[in-house]
Amino acid sequence: RKEVEQDPGPFNVPEGATVAFNCTYSNSASQSFFWYRQDCRKEPKLLMSVYSSGNEDGRFTAQLNRASQYISLLIRDSKLSDSATYLCVVNGPAGNMLTFGGGTRLMVKP
Amino acid sequence: EAQVTQNPRYLITVTGKKLTVTCSQNMNHEYMSWYRQDPGLGLRQIYYSMNVEVTDKGDVPEGYKVSRKEKRNFPLILESPSPNQTSLYFCASSGNRRGSYNEQFFGPGTRLTVL
Repeated sequence: RKEVEQDPGPFNVPEGATVAFNCTYSNSASQSFFWYRQDCRKEPKLLMSVYSSGNEDGRFTAQLNRASQYISLLIRDSKLSDSATYLCVVNGPAGNMLTFGGGTRLMVKP
Repeated sequence: EAQVTQNPRYLITVTGKKLTVTCSQNMNHEYMSWYRQDPGLGLRQIYYSMNVEVTDKGDVPEGYKVSRKEKRNFPLILESPSPNQTSLYFCASSGNRRGSYNEQFFGPGTRLTVL
């Protein structure tokens, strides 16, 4: 089993749609969780950190479920510019290392 | 401008010819790291460094070396490159020793092809 798993997609959605991604992780000792965005052939950039209480940033909402070991990202009112690959990132198995999921590709169509 | 720079951005080389990919950050970050990204495998950590003269192996360190003689620089060395090291490489830095708990700032990437 991979340490961090994501559905690779692609998720093809129309503009304005709401889309949700899930990510599962295997290391129950992980303490830091992130969503990064990566555009084609570019470097990953932090979209948002994920906190235990859940957090929201504009159209983006992230949730953490420690009991089931998954994190989620919800995007409301999708824009064309949201088209990208979304990477789930977890620290562990050693605390100083980061493990990336394979990414979920989102394509927003007009 | 706060940034992480990598050089070269593109490199084609042949098996066995030693090469170095440089990485430099101007944010006074303590934590630096190297990743490779391959289709179907995602980003995998090669080595990381929590401070000057402190380096540790990541998930896929075989065939690579690093050094951290200065805080701002973290070069990746391939002593004898092989075709299976053909990949897209990213350097990243983060603001303090507990680097994996904080935002990683990535360089623009180095696309390496080993023939």
